[in-house]
Amino acid sequence: AQSVTQPDIHITVSEGASLELRCNYSYGATPYLFWYVQSPGQGLQLLLKYFSGDTLVQGIKGFEAEFKRSQSSFNLRKPSVHWSDAAEYFCAVGPRSGTYKYIFGTGTRLKVLA
Amino acid sequence: KAGVTQTPRYLIKTRGQQVTLSCSPISGHRSVSWYQQTPGQGLQFLFEYFSETQRNKGNFPGRFSGRQFSNSRSEMNVSTLELGDSALYLCASSLNADRNYGYTFGSGTRLTVV
Repeated sequence: AQSVTQPDIHITVSEGASLELRCNYSYGATPYLFWYVQSPGQGLQLLLKYFSGDTLVQGIKGFEAEFKRSQSSFNLRKPSVHWSDAAEYFCAVGPRSGTYKYIFGTGTRLKVLA
Repeated sequence: KAGVTQTPRYLIKTRGQQVTLSCSPISGHRSVSWYQQTPGQGLQFLFEYFSETQRNKGNFPGRFSGRQFSNSRSEMNVSTLELGDSALYLCASSLNADRNYGYTFGSGTRLTVV
């Protein structure tokens, strides 16, 4: 079955510390991979996406993600977290063709300590 | 360019009533999807439309319906509202049917059923 797993529901880090949010997927063939961020009361904003090629992709707001095919993972990282990064983060996968569904993970809520 | 516009932003309805939510995608985007977001269930896929055709439907009862117009604007309707329909309803548009560029989300419509 197709699925996206974000094993950490909540993560707390101190401002300035590094961050890694985990994402694992099960989708058959390699899908397109995305990370989104959602601030309270708002819609989701696309942070970055992986299509092919270089497995380390750069996104907005200083985020990056690494695709590891052997582990079916697409973890999001940031070297130094800012208080404004506190939000909920969603990993998502989409099909490379056809009408298959776009699947979101359940989200990881990030809290940043001053 | 203007983002995805959802109206209204907030809505309070009584059980048994019906409601219509509207979504105007980014100009040029022909794919529109709808999601229901609740604290307990996360993001649940409702429908996906492309060029006025429903391409995918989530596992929601028949009380939930939608449509897309020739200008790509979309509406979703919920009839006979139940308390459990209280949620943030998110609309997302994408440039093409494959959605490989990712989604652009609106800010959502917060529906409260009392």
